[in-house]
Amino acid sequence: DGGITQSPKYLFRKEGQNVTLSCEQNLNHDAMYWYRQDPGQGLRLIYYSQIVNDFQKGDIAEGYSVSREKKESFPLTVTSAQKNPTAFYLCASSITGTYGYTFGSGTRLTVV
Amino acid sequence: GIQVEQSPPDLILQEGANSTLRCNFSDSVNNLQWFHQNPWGQLINLFYIPSGTKQNGRLSATTVATERYSLLYISSSQTTDSGVYFCAVGDTDKLIFGTGTRLQVFP
Repeated sequence: DGGITQSPKYLFRKEGQNVTLSCEQNLNHDAMYWYRQDPGQGLRLIYYSQIVNDFQKGDIAEGYSVSREKKESFPLTVTSAQKNPTAFYLCASSITGTYGYTFGSGTRLTVV
Repeated sequence: GIQVEQSPPDLILQEGANSTLRCNFSDSVNNLQWFHQNPWGQLINLFYIPSGTKQNGRLSATTVATERYSLLYISSSQTTDSGVYFCAVGDTDKLIFGTGTRLQVFP
């Protein structure tokens, strides 16, 4: 079955460490997105990519980095520069030019 | 950028009750969607509705694009309807989400 997989589901990080969240899709979608969700808030866009080897900053890109070396994969690195990284992170994909998003099940990151 | 506001922020219902959720947006859009996020965090698309009315079982949605709002109706609510409902609008090449309405349905 086609879908989008995020791993791990839960992640704990010590302050000052970088951590990478995985997002893989087998839907043959060109576009992929990373959103952050804080308790009681909506989804805010971190980064998105419409095509391999290209990506754009969203509304809250500071302290995050991404790469898009393969169509299927769009990993997100939360760097030590991100001051409040504890949140729920959602990855999505779509066919470029459409808004038919498919979401992963999310990664809950906690800084300890 | 486009602003998306949802109301009410929280809603508590008893099973069987009906409810209406509202989404206001600040600019013309060619895309509007409603999503449901279950208690485990999974987001599922409910409706793609840039204008007009659609129905799917106990859920229906109406968007009045000229007045920049959309409504999601839930009839005869069930405990499985609990979760957060998001409205999202298209902005160039991405979706912008509202802050959501948290719905709790009790038996």
